[in-house]
Amino acid sequence: GAVVSQHPSRVICKSGTSVKIECRSLDFQATTMFWYRQFPKQSLMLMATSNEGSKATYEQGVEKDKFLINHASLTLSTLTVTSAHPEDSSFYICSASIGTGLNSPLHFGNGTRLTVT
Amino acid sequence: GQNIDQPTEMTATEGAIVQINCTYQTSGFNGLFWYQQHAGEAPTFLSYNVLDGLEEKGRFSSFLSRSKGYSYLLLKELQMKDSASYLCAVPFSGGYNKLIFGAGTRLAVHP
Repeated sequence: GAVVSQHPSRVICKSGTSVKIECRSLDFQATTMFWYRQFPKQSLMLMATSNEGSKATYEQGVEKDKFLINHASLTLSTLTVTSAHPEDSSFYICSASIGTGLNSPLHFGNGTRLTVT
Repeated sequence: GQNIDQPTEMTATEGAIVQINCTYQTSGFNGLFWYQQHAGEAPTFLSYNVLDGLEEKGRFSSFLSRSKGYSYLLLKELQMKDSASYLCAVPFSGGYNKLIFGAGTRLAVHP
């Protein structure tokens, strides 16, 4: 069964509004979660690393003030897309690893398809 | 830097065997992952290789050659449901669970 739950699965919002996406680890604690973005027919691009109890680490080119990440507990990370624009329309996916070993695979949430009109 | 190359698209026939190649360049090596992703869905883990050689897991096998910076995913007895994108991924330098993904290979299985 799923080990990472993501909500909502699909959201449509108007330009200028904010959208919050939740990512939960089920039955395990995740001190680190990862947020990826995927445009159509492209691969997953890492946006940021969400760290429980501390600030997120953003990848180059990702605006931290636009994509707010909060990891307030060991089982929940949230990504808020602020002042969304049509170019933010994408598939956002969170992931977490049950273990910390090199061979611990990432488990992905089912993704959130965001459409900004 | 780190770089991953995969073919963009492949087609194959149901029941056949297909090999999806991946070449990578990393400043350090902490293993290589293969994931399967159906359209509109999240990726699912297929395999992890850290040592040279072939790892077999049912119909899917994965091979690694560290000296050549090369891996392949071998799919046997292809089924229609195997039509998906197959993503090769390696950890970022110094980041154990933080993965960089290749662009993915879209496999279309035909009857």
